[in-house]
Amino acid sequence: NAGVTQTPKFRVLKTGQSMTLLCAQDMNHEYMYWYRQDPGMGLRLIHYSVGEGTTAKGEVPDGYNVSRLKKQNFLLGLESAAPSQTSVYFCASRQGGSNQPQHFGDGTRLSIL
Amino acid sequence: EDKVVQSPLSLVVHEGDTVTLNCSYEVTNFRSLLWYKQEKKAPTFLFMLTSSGIEKKSGRLSSILDKKELFSILNITATQTGDSAIYLCAVTGGTSYGKLTFGQGTILTVHP
Repeated sequence: NAGVTQTPKFRVLKTGQSMTLLCAQDMNHEYMYWYRQDPGMGLRLIHYSVGEGTTAKGEVPDGYNVSRLKKQNFLLGLESAAPSQTSVYFCASRQGGSNQPQHFGDGTRLSIL
Repeated sequence: EDKVVQSPLSLVVHEGDTVTLNCSYEVTNFRSLLWYKQEKKAPTFLFMLTSSGIEKKSGRLSSILDKKELFSILNITATQTGDSAIYLCAVTGGTSYGKLTFGQGTILTVHP
């Protein structure tokens, strides 16, 4: 009954370091999303994917890259981490078709020093 | 640009009270409005509303949408300490990929 699984759960980086966050879903969902959540700002979409091999920018894509080589996995990369990227990152997925809710993972808390 | 505003931003009540959370929105080609509950980790799905005036209900929680006035309310009756959480409202608009635009959330604290 895994649903959406994010790894790692916590990470501390130094400015300029790179890392990759992994999202895996076992529901055979077509659509996957990466959001960041900051205090007082709700969740904001970073990048999304409408299927294997496709990615697109959301509303706050700068400083991030993504890849969807396999349908079940969606990776979020930070090439050169900055303190402004300190946040909680959530991955979500949903079925194709209209009016399907997104299902979220438990989040990754990332601190950039 | 799509916009969602929730009120109040925070609310403190005692067990047994009834609360009403508000969500107003502006979105191009509205498709649906969703409510999520977020405790310590993942937002969990509560309701999806697409039509005006039709109440969705699950136990002590209920929600309704007014597409003319562009708002929704989430009601919780006979609150319990387990209802303490952040309640998030989000809308989807004219795009086909189901992008969610979230409000800031309402932090609900229920005291025993």
